[in-house]
Amino acid sequence: GAGVSQSPSNKVTEKGKDVELRCDPISGHTALYWYRQRLGQGLEFLIYFQGNSAPDKSGLPSDRFSAERTGESVSTLTIQRTQQEDSAVYLCASRPPGTGGRYGYTFGSGTRLTVV
Amino acid sequence: TQLLEQSPQFLSIQEGENLTVYCNSSSVFSSLQWYRQEPGEGPVLLVTVVTGGEVKKLKRLTFQFGDARKDSSLHITAAQPGDTGLYLCAGHGSSNTGKLIFGQGTTLQVKP
Repeated sequence: GAGVSQSPSNKVTEKGKDVELRCDPISGHTALYWYRQRLGQGLEFLIYFQGNSAPDKSGLPSDRFSAERTGESVSTLTIQRTQQEDSAVYLCASRPPGTGGRYGYTFGSGTRLTVV
Repeated sequence: TQLLEQSPQFLSIQEGENLTVYCNSSSVFSSLQWYRQEPGEGPVLLVTVVTGGEVKKLKRLTFQFGDARKDSSLHITAAQPGDTGLYLCAGHGSSNTGKLIFGQGTTLQVKP
């Protein structure tokens, strides 16, 4: 597709349930990022995939959070035993190969997660 | 840990006024980007600055990267209601790992 696609766009879940969020990056973009954004705030880095390298998981807030990526395509972010503080918009972004500093990220529209 | 501090956090102005948003850090960044985000959408890249002292213009928006590459500013001339949104600065660390660090954002409201 032309852009980064995320699904679902909205998810309401009960506290304690597991959720899975999906991201389809732009074809050919080797780097993929997950960020979390609380209402009216900046973006909090979660995890970064670059090609076949080991992912940078340094931003994952707890072991309830995990993410996978299949090759250079789809990624899923899984949150186990959701808590109310997990409520936020989860944004995925991808960028072309090359020096990271000179390329902007293309973001999806995000998944708005509400834990009740 | 590299941090970016944006100021002000909120700005509400009348159409036609000028404004400046600041993005500051104690750390050096190899490059810095500015994004604009509208409700329900992801951030959209406005500009990338990579050289200390660099100035870039995008219509009524002027972006500057500090000489020491620790800070940046966004100046909007004659703001329009269509400029309303969340403005985010984001930087790549000196190690250029590819991971962008974002400021907390500046919410701009331009009233007609």
